[in-house]
Parts: sequence; structure tokens; C-alpha cells
Amino acid sequence: AQKVTQAQTEISVVEKEDVTLDCVYETRDTTYYLFWYKQPPSGELVFLIRRNSFDEQNEISGRYSWNFQKSTSSFNFTITASQVVDSAVYFCALSGIDGGATNKLIFGTGTLLAVQP
Amino acid sequence: GAVVSQHPSWVICKSGTSVKIECRSLDFQATTMFWYRQFPKQSLMLMATSNEGSKATYEQGVEKDKFLINHASLTLSTLTVTSAHPEDSSFYICSARLTANYGYTFGSGTRLTVV
Repeated sequence: AQKVTQAQTEISVVEKEDVTLDCVYETRDTTYYLFWYKQPPSGELVFLIRRNSFDEQNEISGRYSWNFQKSTSSFNFTITASQVVDSAVYFCALSGIDGGATNKLIFGTGTLLAVQP
Repeated sequence: GAVVSQHPSWVICKSGTSVKIECRSLDFQATTMFWYRQFPKQSLMLMATSNEGSKATYEQGVEKDKFLINHASLTLSTLTVTSAHPEDSSFYICSARLTANYGYTFGSGTRLTVV
């Protein structure tokens, strides 16, 4: 069975601080995709990144960076120099690769990030 | 590209009535659509997988007769909450997987309040 755990329920930081959101996953698949989504108060899901299990290289996109450690089944997300606009719920998610369009996307429990001015 | 339009954005209904939520893929064909439910301050829980032209597959614990899913065409999937009760009040969101790049696209969600 697939499972995604985000141990941090809520995090509060002051603007300009760096913050890391943890994600640990479980899967029996040898190949899979990992995702991060942002959900602002409006409810819409904003796609941030997709990572193939074959690719363990870390990725940086502006103030965002991701650390994928297959050995520890973790896919952590760091926001550098946080801003108030980063305040949202962040979800880590997992899907298989085989099966095409029918592959389910399983979400973690989510982390509420509050960035104080 | 790859937009899913979900309607309505929010709905308030009386207890005992039924509510239909629609998700349309605007610029692609969605053979499969996923339906999620999200209670306040909780994660998105997969309710069912809807397949065009066939019966939906429900996750364990989801009542098939209460949450009717229809996927009659490649561009439209609907979720009907029948005989809604206050405990059905939630945020419902649909999603389709993009076979071209294995990403997922989401509707904007429907906030259902049953009074």
C-alpha cells in the first residue's frame, strides 16, 4: 500500500526565515512519482514539482528547493527567505508510474505553513 | 492547457436533498477522473475513480449509493451527493491524470454546505 506522511502539522515562521517541510513516503513500487502541491485558503491546488523516482538529483526553483533521498524515502521541501505569500497548506503526494491515466495520486496529511510579517 | 472546469464553486443545500457537481475537461479527453473529499484542516482523501463508459471504482468506506458518479463522456464526470446530510459538508475536488506527462490537473473545487 502507498502512504505519505507529513509529520509537521503546523509550522510558524517569521518572514525571511528558511523553512523545511518534511515528507516521508511508503510504496512497494520500484518506480513512482513524487509531488508537492500548495493549497492557499481559496482551496485550489497549485502544482509545485514532480520528481521521478529514477532521478535523485536535488532541484532548485527560485526560493524553493527539494531534497529527494530514496534511501530514507524522503522528499523534503525547503523555502528560503519565506514570505507572507507562502502561507498555505502544503501537500506531498505519491503516484505510481505504470497504469497510465488510472494511477491514483495519494496525498500526505499536509503541513500548514504560517509566515508572520 | 489541460484545464478541468469544476462547477459549482460552492453550494448550500437543505438536508435530504441531492447535489450534483460537474467536472469538465476543457482541452483534453479525460478517460479517468478522480474524486477527492477534504474536510476542514484535513488531507484530500480519494473517494472514487471514475472511468468513461464504465462503473466507478470506490475506495473502501465510501458509500456507492450515496455518492453517485457518472462519467458518460470523455469530457464530463459528475458526482451526485444524494440525500445530503450536514456530515457531508466538505470540499470536493476532481482531478485527471495527464497521460502525456504523468502530471495531474485539478478542478477548482466545490465547497458543499448542508444545512
